[in-house]
Amino acid sequence: SQQGEEDPQALSIQEGENATMNCSYKTSINNLQWYRQNSGRGLVHLILIRSNEREKHSGRLRVTLDTSKKSSSLLITASRAADTASYFCAVEDMNRDDKIIFGKGTRLHILP
Amino acid sequence: NAGVTQTPKFRVLKTGQSMTLLCAQDMNHEYMYWYRQDPGMGLRLIHYSVGEGTTAKGEVPDGYNVSRLKKQNFLLGLESAAPSQTSVYFCASSYSRTGDTGELFFGEGSRLTVL
Repeated sequence: SQQGEEDPQALSIQEGENATMNCSYKTSINNLQWYRQNSGRGLVHLILIRSNEREKHSGRLRVTLDTSKKSSSLLITASRAADTASYFCAVEDMNRDDKIIFGKGTRLHILP
Repeated sequence: NAGVTQTPKFRVLKTGQSMTLLCAQDMNHEYMYWYRQDPGMGLRLIHYSVGEGTTAKGEVPDGYNVSRLKKQNFLLGLESAAPSQTSVYFCASSYSRTGDTGELFFGEGSRLTVL
């Protein structure tokens, strides 16, 4: 079964606005990662947050992790057309031999 | 750097035929993974390997076999293809457990259609 579940499934915003995507998971994790996938391409790693961290920044990306609620959020500030892509969270499941399990993704569309 | 290379990129099979997808990485990574991606399902882990000569089952291993005879290569085999195996297959690699090193590196995908 899927571990990470992203919300919303799809999101359309105007260029320049901020985009927020959420991820929920069900078990204990070592870390949580976010990936981006452009149409027809492979996934590209964006950022990793460890289970003992609460917030992390990388450029225009801000990730938060709440292990008590088993949830994470990805914020993209000042969105650009090039941010149009699908975004996936992935968790390293401590209870499943450290398998890396992905969610179903959020499709983000930046409107010009 | 080539990174992770998958071959072939596209393939059409008839039900019952067999084929092998090849994944090659030039980063000296220990861990390698095969995922399938279907519309609305995200990525699901098929099999993975934590080092040369080792393999392990993922979430959806049935109908697939894998081999890791060389550290740089991870092969995914379909012995008797079924229409349900129509999908886009992604290979990924990492230096070690991602908790230690931070990321998976993905290939560009192999699109398989089974008629």
